[in-house]
Amino acid sequence: GAVVSQHPSWVICKSGTSVKIECRSLDFQATTMFWYRQFPKQSLMLMATSNEGSKATYEQGVEKDKFLINHASLTLSTLTVTSAHPEDSSFYICSLRRVNEQFFGPGTRLTVL
Amino acid sequence: AQKITQTQPGMFVQEKEAVTLDCTYDTSDQSYGLFWYKQPSSGEMIFLIYQGSYDEQNATEGRYSLNFQKARKSANLVISASQLGDSAMYFCAMREGRNTGNQFYFGTGTSLTVIP
Repeated sequence: GAVVSQHPSWVICKSGTSVKIECRSLDFQATTMFWYRQFPKQSLMLMATSNEGSKATYEQGVEKDKFLINHASLTLSTLTVTSAHPEDSSFYICSLRRVNEQFFGPGTRLTVL
Repeated sequence: AQKITQTQPGMFVQEKEAVTLDCTYDTSDQSYGLFWYKQPSSGEMIFLIYQGSYDEQNATEGRYSLNFQKARKSANLVISASQLGDSAMYFCAMREGRNTGNQFYFGTGTSLTVIP
């Protein structure tokens, strides 16, 4: 069965609004979760590493004030895209690790009009 | 330098034939893991196979096998008896070290099309 869930699976919003994406670990407690973004026909690009109980670590070039990450519990991390713009339209995927395994959520397709 | 290199943007294979998808990696760590994922048009990342850097034998999972050549730093994926459902993007990835927080490095992917 699924190890990681994401909600919503797709969302359409108006420019300027904020969108929250949830990532849940269904099978085990995850102190670290990863957020990726994927543009069409491109690879997954790591945006940030979400750490339970502390601030997320953002990759170079990712605006931390625009992409707010909250890892409030060992099973839930949220990514909020604030004041979304059309260029934020993308496929967002969360991931978590368990020993030698790396699990990915089903992804959230965000379209900003 | 790129951590993971996939040099084949697109590949075609006849149904029931075998196909090899290339992947080379770059790391100075002694402990690392290599992964292959399949991403169909739905977007879901489907885990296919894993090879640890200390594993002496090539990993196999059903029709998937990983041709691990450590000295050459290559981890090619071999799909035997291709099926139409194998048409998808395939990503090679690497994780360095043992820390649970280590990030995952992805290649640029190879688009595989299986021809009937």
